[in-house]
Formats: sequence, structure tokens, C-alpha cells
Amino acid sequence: GDSVTQMEGPVTLSEEAFLTINCTYTATGYPSLFWYVQYPGEGLQLLLKATKADDKGSNKGFEATYRKETTSFHLEKGSVQVSDSAVYFCALSIFNKFYFGSGTKLNVKP
Amino acid sequence: DSGVTQTPKHLITATGQRVTLRCSPRSGDLSVYWYQQSLDQGLQFLIQYYNGEERAKGNILERFSAQQFPDLHSELNLSSLELGDSALYFCASSPPGVTDTQYFGPGTRLTVL
Repeated sequence: GDSVTQMEGPVTLSEEAFLTINCTYTATGYPSLFWYVQYPGEGLQLLLKATKADDKGSNKGFEATYRKETTSFHLEKGSVQVSDSAVYFCALSIFNKFYFGSGTKLNVKP
Repeated sequence: DSGVTQTPKHLITATGQRVTLRCSPRSGDLSVYWYQQSLDQGLQFLIQYYNGEERAKGNILERFSAQQFPDLHSELNLSSLELGDSALYFCASSPPGVTDTQYFGPGTRLTVL
């Protein structure tokens, strides 16, 4: 079936470090892929998305590229800030259904 | 603030009871989605409505039901509650013609004692 697998956390980094959160997916068709972010006590916010192979989604310094050959959509940021501390969810959408990964908690220390 | 509102913010009830969670989508959005977020199951898609009609169904239990009203607000009804139903319930909405972008509400935290 359709599913998303993302790396387990927590991930702890120092400010200005490089971030990668891995995400792979399984889908029966051609899904759209997303990264959402959840700050403490809040709902999820769309961070970026990509709707077809080789698309790159980007927002607020975060990037992810839709790789069909490796069924991956890894999240990257060149220099994290303390304010990036949150839980990050990888997700896919196909046939009007949505599947989310288990979330990866990111802690950024000053 | 996403523009999606959910009430109540917190709900504490007992096993066997029934509760109703309410969601108002962003102005102009026709689609409403419901999700359950629990520690052991992660974020699970429950159901989607579009302009009053059920559009897609996920892992929704038979004890749960939902509907979307003519004014586009939606309610999620949970009955015969069990301890394992304790979770955060999120509602999301999306604009007409856009099926893959959702805006999430702040959630309702349900505690079943």
C-alpha cells in the first residue's frame, strides 16, 4: 500500500549546521509529496511540496527534490536556526488520500 | 494562523461516552479533512469531505462518523469511546480545485479516562 517512511528522531544540531531529514515513499501511482512542520502546541503547516518527478520544493531555506528513481524526498537546509526547532513530517497525497510519516523532531541548540 | 478553527480545544470524557468535534474551514475552502494524531500511530488520515459530500475515507473506525454541513463547517462524532481514542484530532481544509495543499487547524485534544 501507499506509505511514507522518515528517519526517526530526535535530531539535535548546533545552530548553522547542515540539516538532512530522510524520507522515502511507496505509492501505487504518481503522488504529490510534501513536508509539513509542526511547532509546539500548533497544527501542521505546509513547508514545501513537489508534484512530479525532479521537481524541487523550497521555502524558508528548506529544499527537497522529488526523486522517482529512489522514491525519496529528503529535506535539507544549509544552515539551521534555533527557530527551526519543531517536528517535521513527510507526506504524500494520492487519489485524494494523504499519508504522513511518523515525524522527526529537530532540536537546534544555540 | 491558518484560518481553520476547531472547537473545543480540549475535551476530557469517560469511556463509553460520545463527543462531537467541530471544524470551520478557511473562508472559500470547500474541502475538509480529519486526522487523528496519537503517540503510537502517528498522524492518520480519517476522512475527507468536499462541499458536503464524502470524498475519501482513510483509517476511520466504524464508531466514528463525520459530516459537512451546507455552511461548510464539519463535525466529527466519536462514540463508544475507548482509552485508545485519546489523541489530538486535527481538521484541515483546502481551496477549490486544489486537492493537494491543506491548511491545518490547531487541533482538539481528546482525553478519555
